[in-house]
Amino acid sequence: DGGITQSPKYLFRKEGQNVTLSCEQNLNHDAMYWYRQDPGQGLRLIYYSQIVNDFQKGDIAEGYSVSREKKESFPLTVTSAQKNPTAFYLCATQGAIGNEQYFGPGTRLTVT
Amino acid sequence: GESVGLHLPTLSVQEGDNSIINCAYSNSASDYFIWYKQESGKGPQFIIDIRSNMDKRQGQRVTVLLNKTVKHLSLQIAATQPGDSAVYFCAERRTASKLTFGTGTRLQVTL
Repeated sequence: DGGITQSPKYLFRKEGQNVTLSCEQNLNHDAMYWYRQDPGQGLRLIYYSQIVNDFQKGDIAEGYSVSREKKESFPLTVTSAQKNPTAFYLCATQGAIGNEQYFGPGTRLTVT
Repeated sequence: GESVGLHLPTLSVQEGDNSIINCAYSNSASDYFIWYKQESGKGPQFIIDIRSNMDKRQGQRVTVLLNKTVKHLSLQIAATQPGDSAVYFCAERRTASKLTFGTGTRLQVTL
């Protein structure tokens, strides 16, 4: 996960609160991605951005929002509208179309 | 650590043996495939990739085989070591900007 920072590693929130997860990269990659990981399931795409000031919904965007104001940063907000927010959230980058994605260390979000 | 892979298929191998992890993909139009390794509590780590115009690719102690006829991908790890214990994911590229991930296989290396 060198070059991609996600903070904090563990995050706890009360139900009904919005929470923003941080993802920063110094790889100079254009594309950035947010995935959610639940036990026994593969990674599911929430949002992605291929360029600054542009982003697209992934497969499970409902209840989430993102912004891409800087190339280095792609924060994810988990809103109170997300029914099951407790999960492991992974941020990834991709340097050029067709190349592999590099992952950050992840943030474990627990909502009670 | 994370509870990733609580209900995943598990492959148990003895240290020093070879491991073969399999993955079936669904889209015949996928043109690029990746294997990732994920240790408990960490993000996935790139292992090896292969393009659809190849059948086999080798890395250090790892080999990926692609059978497009039956849409099957496998990862072979030679001389498996305790440090290889992890969950392994395959991913396929269906569109230029997105990957689709499999559910993963847990590899347990016994001494």
